Amino acid sequence: NAGVMQNPRHLVRRRGQEARLRCSPMKGHSHVYWYRQLPEEGLKFMVYLQKENIIDESGMPKERFSAEFPKEGPSILRIQQVVRGDSAAYFCASSPGDRRSSGANVLTFGAGSRLTVL
Amino acid sequence: AQTVTQSQPEMSVQEAETVTLSCTYDTSESDYYLFWYKQPPSRQMILVIRQEAYKQQNATENRFSVNFQKAAKSFSLKISDSQLGDAAMYFCAYRLYNTDKLIFGTGTRLQVFP
Repeated sequence: NAGVMQNPRHLVRRRGQEARLRCSPMKGHSHVYWYRQLPEEGLKFMVYLQKENIIDESGMPKERFSAEFPKEGPSILRIQQVVRGDSAAYFCASSPGDRRSSGANVLTFGAGSRLTVL
Repeated sequence: AQTVTQSQPEMSVQEAETVTLSCTYDTSESDYYLFWYKQPPSRQMILVIRQEAYKQQNATENRFSVNFQKAAKSFSLKISDSQLGDAAMYFCAYRLYNTDKLIFGTGTRLQVFP
């Protein structure tokens, strides 16, 4: 079981460019969550997705940020026209989603993608 | 709104000694989960221990145990027989029973000295 896979681990972008971060959940997990960690801070919730559905995007900035989790393939967090303040570590986590499962209340995290905006 | 507070930005402990990391939270709900995650320099978030709010018994995982005081909304982590590999950032987190969203504290950096 490969766990939650995120790529790239490190991404450097210039201001105004686009950043795309990918997340493949653990095998058997159908729920994906994105969190952002600014330097010296805790993780802040951004968005929660199931396949082809955004369930909760209350933590997403209103502009430039979007997320998807298509029927096939990884979940993608997309940041358009990046600014220096977007520099952070972006973590993906997944869960089975089925509350009957004993692991339903435990999120498994990936190793994160560190975005640096020059 | 639920909040999680970790009032100790940094803690240090001698190898083989015991250290306690503090966490308090604010909620008006009665059913929820509490977690401690460890983040070593590799940045990987590793689940250390979890506690269901309806359980009065404190959770234990080997050298890690919690002191869960529901009325006081306190959830401290005790690390016994500290090892050099325990050095990391430790995050306390809260999750409401019927949601999937984790709310994290700001973390405590633990240093372990030989």
